[in-house]
Amino acid sequence: DIQVTQSPSSLLASLGERVTITCQTSQSISNNLNWYQQKPGQAPMLLIYYATSLQTGMPSRFSGQYSGRSFTLTITSLEPEDIANYFCLQHYSAPNTFGAGTKLELK
Amino acid sequence: EVQLVESGGGLVQPGRSLKLSCAASGFTFSNYYMAWVRQAPKKGLEWVATISTSGSRTYYPDSVKGRFTISRDNAKSSLYLQMNSLKSEDTATYYCARQYYGYTGWGQGVMVTVSS
Repeated sequence: DIQVTQSPSSLLASLGERVTITCQTSQSISNNLNWYQQKPGQAPMLLIYYATSLQTGMPSRFSGQYSGRSFTLTITSLEPEDIANYFCLQHYSAPNTFGAGTKLELK
Repeated sequence: EVQLVESGGGLVQPGRSLKLSCAASGFTFSNYYMAWVRQAPKKGLEWVATISTSGSRTYYPDSVKGRFTISRDNAKSSLYLQMNSLKSEDTATYYCARQYYGYTGWGQGVMVTVSS
């Protein structure tokens, strides 16, 4: 199975701050990685697909990049509604595997 | 808009069975693979089962193979997960998900607690 290492596990940030979350995969997966946002008691929502494509309806302050086996999710300017858990998913090979998640909180 | 609504969770004793259901709407259910994904308390997400569009092919990780059975009824736009011989480590929130290059639609989840 492909291992996905996500960091940090938790993050304190201020409103307006730039936030970066990273996932590293154990082998090359090209761009077959998605990012999701999950708020307490709600269904996960697809944020970014194929590593860099913003899902329709999601704010443009969210962006994804990748280089080799390293993938990043960036929020350019943190808004109150961005406080949530974020996780990544590789869908290059079965079984699909997830990052452990990042809990984003307000400083 | 993709809508997935799970039901059937609850408290169950170890060794017993439980069946989860997921009602889908907002998309052509029969055109998509579907999956169950779970999240144990304070843990990460784990894929549990996948079923093909017709239901003829199913896939499971070793952790549930032989105990869990995924099925679907395309006429009812419904997905199911039959869980037998439940263990304490199956305690988790179970999500129904539309599988298409990852999971592109999720339900809100249903809690399953396995405890005596």
